[in-house]
Amino acid sequence: DAGVIQSPRHEVTEMGQEVTLRCKPISGHDYLFWYRQTMMRGLELLIYFNNNVPIDDSGMPEDRFSAKMPNASFSTLKIQPSEPRDSAVYFCASSTGQGSTDTQYFGPGTRLTVL
Amino acid sequence: GENVEQHPSTLSVQEGDSAVIKCTYSDSASNYFPWYKQELGKGPQLIIDIRSNVGEKKDQRIAVTLNKTAKHFSLHITETQPEDSAVYFCAASYTNTGNQFYFGTGTSLTVIP
Repeated sequence: DAGVIQSPRHEVTEMGQEVTLRCKPISGHDYLFWYRQTMMRGLELLIYFNNNVPIDDSGMPEDRFSAKMPNASFSTLKIQPSEPRDSAVYFCASSTGQGSTDTQYFGPGTRLTVL
Repeated sequence: GENVEQHPSTLSVQEGDSAVIKCTYSDSASNYFPWYKQELGKGPQLIIDIRSNVGEKKDQRIAVTLNKTAKHFSLHITETQPEDSAVYFCAASYTNTGNQFYFGTGTSLTVIP
């Protein structure tokens, strides 16, 4: 299996611009997670989906952040408008959900820099 | 909700020595404890995990121990090698969270050749 695929790997944008991060989970996985990683706050869960339905978005920092999962093989995380404090590495992860305690497999991440 | 604490935040060992990283959790309902290794510029990768019905699990040079009574679990790396240098994260999960993981803050391990 190719693993979790994320694009782009690096994104540099200017403050105020819209940013869209993309994720393709491992085929057959029912859960998809979006995380943000910074030195100050570590790994933060932003939102997760089960069978394409958002289950918990309490980690989404502001209304500027939105996430969608239109089908089982694709999800997006959008930031509009972006701000310098959004600079971080964003990870997508997926798991089978064959029980409540299944391993999450992480993608390589998208390093976002907002100037 | 669950709270996971991880210590130490940084750890340096000589090549060939052992390294131990410890985590504590707050919710006794937690029943799954994975450990991830994150190398520079990469995503976290699962290296070993343990479920609450087991006290210890080994995989070559890596082992994890779990003490449910004390609510702590540890990662042990023996015969460390330079390629073990990375950031290690522990996590805890339990049934009622719908597969949500609660991560520790990470340990930066440096193995000195």
